[in-house]
Amino acid sequence: EAAVTQSPRNKVAVTGGKVTLSCNQTNNHNNMYWYRQDTGHGLRLIHYSYGAGSTEKGDIPDGYKASRPSQENFSLILELATPSQTSVYFCASAYWGGEQYFGPGTRLTVL
Amino acid sequence: AQKVTQTQTSISVMEKTTVTMDCVYETQDSSYFLFWYKQTASGEIVFLIRQDSYKKENATVGHYSLNFQKPKSSIGLIITATQIEDSAVYFCAMREGHSSSFSKLVFGQGTSLSVVP
Repeated sequence: EAAVTQSPRNKVAVTGGKVTLSCNQTNNHNNMYWYRQDTGHGLRLIHYSYGAGSTEKGDIPDGYKASRPSQENFSLILELATPSQTSVYFCASAYWGGEQYFGPGTRLTVL
Repeated sequence: AQKVTQTQTSISVMEKTTVTMDCVYETQDSSYFLFWYKQTASGEIVFLIRQDSYKKENATVGHYSLNFQKPKSSIGLIITATQIEDSAVYFCAMREGHSSSFSKLVFGQGTSLSVVP
């Protein structure tokens, strides 16, 4: 069974709307990450977390918030979605600094 | 600042042959970790193999192996007996620091591999 799952897998949102992307992992990993992947930019780190209750800013945090209510769950929140946030979003988990295991991705389109 | 460079944009090989994908990295840290990931056509990103900088022996997992040349800051991925299913984009990545500390994973731009019959 998949150890990192994301929901929804596809999302269409309107400009100015609120979007929440969810991630769940059953690896019992302490670290979790949110990335976005765009053509020409590769994978870019948005937010990450060391454990329940912690969130840290990555390289491109503007316009995004994160929430880690438990070891298993890590959410990415777009309070006011913009078309520039149209992308594919990946969640990942890792045990400390070890290899990261990725979820299947969420394709977000902001109209 | 750390940097990872994959100069091969795309490679095409015949099935059942061996392919090597190049990756060079830059780091000021004496301790670092190198990873290779595969992204399939469906978008799935899969961890393949890892090399810790302090280990002299090249890592091997299944038909994946690494050519770690520390003096050249190079970590090549070797796939032997390639299969059609190996067609994907391969990313090299590096993380600095000790295993229990956090630092971000820096990715290369990827190499697209096409395995043809």
